[in-house]
Amino acid sequence: SQKIEQNSEALNIQEGKTATLTCNYTNYSPAYLQWYRQDPGRGPVFLLLIRENEKEKRKERLKVTFDTTLKQSLFHITASQPADSATYLCAQYNNNDMRFGAGTRLTVKP
Amino acid sequence: EAQVTQNPRYLITVTGKKLTVTCSQNMNHEYMSWYRQDPGLGLRQIYYSMNVEVTDKGDVPEGYKVSRKEKRNFPLILESPSPNQTSLYFCASSLSSGDRAGVYGYTFGSGTRLTVV
Repeated sequence: SQKIEQNSEALNIQEGKTATLTCNYTNYSPAYLQWYRQDPGRGPVFLLLIRENEKEKRKERLKVTFDTTLKQSLFHITASQPADSATYLCAQYNNNDMRFGAGTRLTVKP
Repeated sequence: EAQVTQNPRYLITVTGKKLTVTCSQNMNHEYMSWYRQDPGLGLRQIYYSMNVEVTDKGDVPEGYKVSRKEKRNFPLILESPSPNQTSLYFCASSLSSGDRAGVYGYTFGSGTRLTVV
């Protein structure tokens, strides 16, 4: 069955650096891949999505890439700030099925 | 304000005592879904609904029931809760279902932390 994996459980970086989070999937390419932010004890918040025929998408300091050859999406936060500290979830959508990864907990240190 | 409202936020109950977690959205969304989130397992789908009177099982439906009598409401019912249903529950909605659903992000509620003793 289709699986979606976020390789790193946790990522610590220094303020001002670029954070890069990885999301891998098995088997078929999802039609859409989405990224969410989740703060402790709160529901996930939708950030942005990328379609399978798109290579890259940007929104302010966020950038998402989608490589169907590697079966991978990368999520970048440039000029990171302590306020970016949260858990980031990737999710793949295909045929009425939305599957979430377990998330990567990002900590940005001042 | 556009939102998904879940109640209660916290609930402690005893094994076997029926309970209902309510979920309501004010965005006229077609699609609604329930997830549970457990450490290391991520979000797992319990049930979903593509429209009024249409519901279907997700990955972990055992021990749960849902109904969708109105577009805005999608309650989650635990007829006989057990300790393995202790978890953080989220209701989510999306504008559309079907092939176009992935175009829209999900809007999640704030969560219900359930403890069954």
